Amino acid sequence: NAGVTQTPKFQVLKTGQSMTLQCAQDMNHEYMSWYRQDPGMGLRLIHYSVGAGITDQGEVPNGYNVSRSTTEDFPLRLLSAAPSQTSVYFCASRVGQRGGNTIYFGEGSWLTVV
Amino acid sequence: TQLLEQSPQFLSIQEGENLTVYCNSSSVFSSLQWYRQEPGEGPVLLVTVVTGGEVKKLKRLTFQFGDARKDSSLHITAAQPGDTGLYLCAGRSNAGGTSYGKLTFGQGTILTVHP
Repeated sequence: NAGVTQTPKFQVLKTGQSMTLQCAQDMNHEYMSWYRQDPGMGLRLIHYSVGAGITDQGEVPNGYNVSRSTTEDFPLRLLSAAPSQTSVYFCASRVGQRGGNTIYFGEGSWLTVV
Repeated sequence: TQLLEQSPQFLSIQEGENLTVYCNSSSVFSSLQWYRQEPGEGPVLLVTVVTGGEVKKLKRLTFQFGDARKDSSLHITAAQPGDTGLYLCAGRSNAGGTSYGKLTFGQGTILTVHP
């Protein structure tokens, strides 16, 4: 059971480039989300999804797009990378409204924008 | 915007000592969670507290949720080097009628336990 899988683990981008961080979960969870983690700021919610075809903005959505075409996958797109997007990104999933409170995080993706 | 203030930000102690990490807010949360994160990995859930005044114990770790559900504490007894890591508190709110229940994370406490 792989849980939440993120790729790539590490990525260096030049300012203005675009890329997609991939996230997949094999637990049939309804809810998925993306967070970024910066020193001294904890984790901040970027976007989330409560089910296939449904996404919504979190606390810091600017510069990021998401889609949820399947239950399993929740990619995060950076359309034009900026140095301010240098961070560690975590994808997470949990069962859903009728499920428990346990959130499962991926191992993280380290992104550097130069 | 709901804020969770976590303190201290850094904690460096010797093996065998006790410690307490605090998580405070002016907002009420429906539940509060504590996570532990090791370098290069994602956070892992330790506990969820739901009821005001609730106390939960997990071996040497004791978690408490404030009576007003605005604050929480994590107490570790006889800390061991294996307890070293980043500890995060996170409050869940169902404000706005959403079923999602967004989490607000504290800044984290970096704990180092020296042998």
